[in-house]
Amino acid sequence: GENVEQHPSTLSVQEGDSAVIKCTYSDSASNYFPWYKQELGKRPQLIIDIRSNVGEKKDQRIAVTLNKTAKHFSLHITETQPEDSAVYFCAARFGNEKLTFGTGTRLTIIP
Amino acid sequence: GAGVSQSPSNKVTEKGKDVELRCDPISGHTALYWYRQSLGQGLEFLIYFQGNSAPDKSGLPSDRFSAERTGGSVSTLTIQRTQQEDSAVYLCASSYDRGQETQYFGPGTRLLVL
Repeated sequence: GENVEQHPSTLSVQEGDSAVIKCTYSDSASNYFPWYKQELGKRPQLIIDIRSNVGEKKDQRIAVTLNKTAKHFSLHITETQPEDSAVYFCAARFGNEKLTFGTGTRLTIIP
Repeated sequence: GAGVSQSPSNKVTEKGKDVELRCDPISGHTALYWYRQSLGQGLEFLIYFQGNSAPDKSGLPSDRFSAERTGGSVSTLTIQRTQQEDSAVYLCASSYDRGQETQYFGPGTRLLVL
């Protein structure tokens, strides 16, 4: 089955700087890669996703890049703000198989 | 529209008792997942239902855990003979596949086993 590794487990960045979280996956057939954000005490929510036919996708300050050859994808947050502090989870999936999550990254934005 | 709902929101039980946790997915969603999340930890996959296919039970930690989904809608996660290590937040998520794969999570059930 699919295996997703996520790094780093914790990340602190100064407000206004950029944050990058990286994930690798094992199943080359995986074709869907979402990112979820979980604020303290709340449920995870989708923030951005990318499919394998696209190399990059942007939504305002958030972007995701995908390298299918290397089997890794990354979340980029620019101009970080205090409300970006949360735990971020990457995930990967092929077809109708189950979505496999990474172990999460706790992002702290330092004012 | 209504999102994923779970009940109860909190459950305190004594070690050795059985508990049932309920998940009401978004109407029409074919896929349903159960996850367990211990304090400060990641999402531990438990079980996955997809349409009429046999569920993927590969994440269930022991035979004390079981789940069913009746009529392709409501799901119940049952934990028998609860142990203290079962204490966690149990999250349910549903999605409508066929190209719309966003998982919508419920608010979770916080289980405390004394």
